[in-house]
Amino acid sequence: EAGVAQSPRYKIIEKRQSVAFWCNPISGHATLYWYQQILGQGPKLLIQFQNNGVVDDSQLPKDRFSAERLKGVDSTLKIQPAKLEDSAVYLCASSFSSGGHTDTQYFGPGTRLTVL
Amino acid sequence: KQEVTQIPAALSVPEGENLVLNCSFTDSAIYNLQWFRQDPGKGLTSLLLIQSSQREQTSGRLNASLDKSSGRSTLYIAASQPGDSATYLCAVDGAGANNLFFGTGTRLTVIP
Repeated sequence: EAGVAQSPRYKIIEKRQSVAFWCNPISGHATLYWYQQILGQGPKLLIQFQNNGVVDDSQLPKDRFSAERLKGVDSTLKIQPAKLEDSAVYLCASSFSSGGHTDTQYFGPGTRLTVL
Repeated sequence: KQEVTQIPAALSVPEGENLVLNCSFTDSAIYNLQWFRQDPGKGLTSLLLIQSSQREQTSGRLNASLDKSSGRSTLYIAASQPGDSATYLCAVDGAGANNLFFGTGTRLTVIP
């Protein structure tokens, strides 16, 4: 079974530029998550989708971050414009069912973003 | 707001030693607690999930315990091996639907 795929793996941009990340979850997984992991910290949830609907985006900085999952499969996360403090690893995860409390999340390898 | 703390931040042990990693959380109203492993440049791999009604879970050389009332969990690794070197993260399932709050992790190095 293929895992969660993410691209690109690495991205370097200058502040105020825009960037987009892509995630393809495990086939058949209804729930998709985007996390931000700053160096030395644990991952922080940015947004959670169930199929193509948003379940939780309370920690997403909506003035610059946006995400979509139009067909309920793959997803993109965009930052526009980027700030220095956005430098982090962006992790995508998926889970099989409706995001229930005992649902195991499977993580992709992440995209490491460096903002100069 | 849930806060998760892991101590120590880093740990080095010789191969073969048994070790314990600690995790504490401030809000005991959790649904489950998970331990993850993160290797450099890679994503997270779930190791063990303990539901709030359980006291412990075991998988091979790993044993995780949960004391929900005191807000603590431990991950016990028996007979450590160099391949166990990684960062170990604990996460608790908060008020939202499968909304995980992560600790900052313990970076483990097992010396051959």
